[in-house]
Amino acid sequence: DIQMTQSPSSLSASVGDRVTITCRTSHIISRYLNWYQQKPGEVPKLLIYDTSKLQSGVPSRFSGSGSGTDFTLTISGLQPEDFATYYCQQSYSVPPYTFGQGTKLDIK
Amino acid sequence: QVQLQESGPGLVKPSETLSLTCTVSGGSISNYYWNWIRQPPGKGLEWIGYVYDSGSTIYNPSLKSRVTISVDKSTNQFSLNLSSVTAADTAVYYCARRGRSNAFDFWGQGTMVTVSS
Repeated sequence: DIQMTQSPSSLSASVGDRVTITCRTSHIISRYLNWYQQKPGEVPKLLIYDTSKLQSGVPSRFSGSGSGTDFTLTISGLQPEDFATYYCQQSYSVPPYTFGQGTKLDIK
Repeated sequence: QVQLQESGPGLVKPSETLSLTCTVSGGSISNYYWNWIRQPPGKGLEWIGYVYDSGSTIYNPSLKSRVTISVDKSTNQFSLNLSSVTAADTAVYYCARRGRSNAFDFWGQGTMVTVSS
């Protein structure tokens, strides 16, 4: 299995801040890395696929970068609705598809 | 707009089989991979497996001995059976489409399944 490690596990930030979440994989996955946002009690929502491609309807303040084994999700100018848990997921190798453990972003 | 909806019992007894169905509307079930993903309370996401419209399947090795996923194109539905359940199988179960991007682009609302006697 490809192991996914996100850091940090949690972070606190303020509206307007720029935050970065990191995802490291145990094997090279090229650019087959996706990011999801999940708010409490809600369904995960696809934000970014293939490392840096923005899913339709996702605000441009979200961006992704990386390749190989190291990837980042950046939110530029945090909005109140961005406070949520974020998951990375590799689509390079199946079975199984694997997710990171999540990064909880809350309000400072 | 594609919509997915899970259905099935919310309570299953230990050692029995958990059975869920996902109904796809607003689009065809053809030419996509249809997935089951679960999330135990307060925890992260675990991929269970997928079925293609042809009926071919791939499962998470950690669950493979207990999982069966099938598809019925005539009703635009796909199903999950998980046998010999224990309390560790208590989770919200989601169905999801793997889109052209190889990411999970459409999800059902999720259904909570509790394993308890």
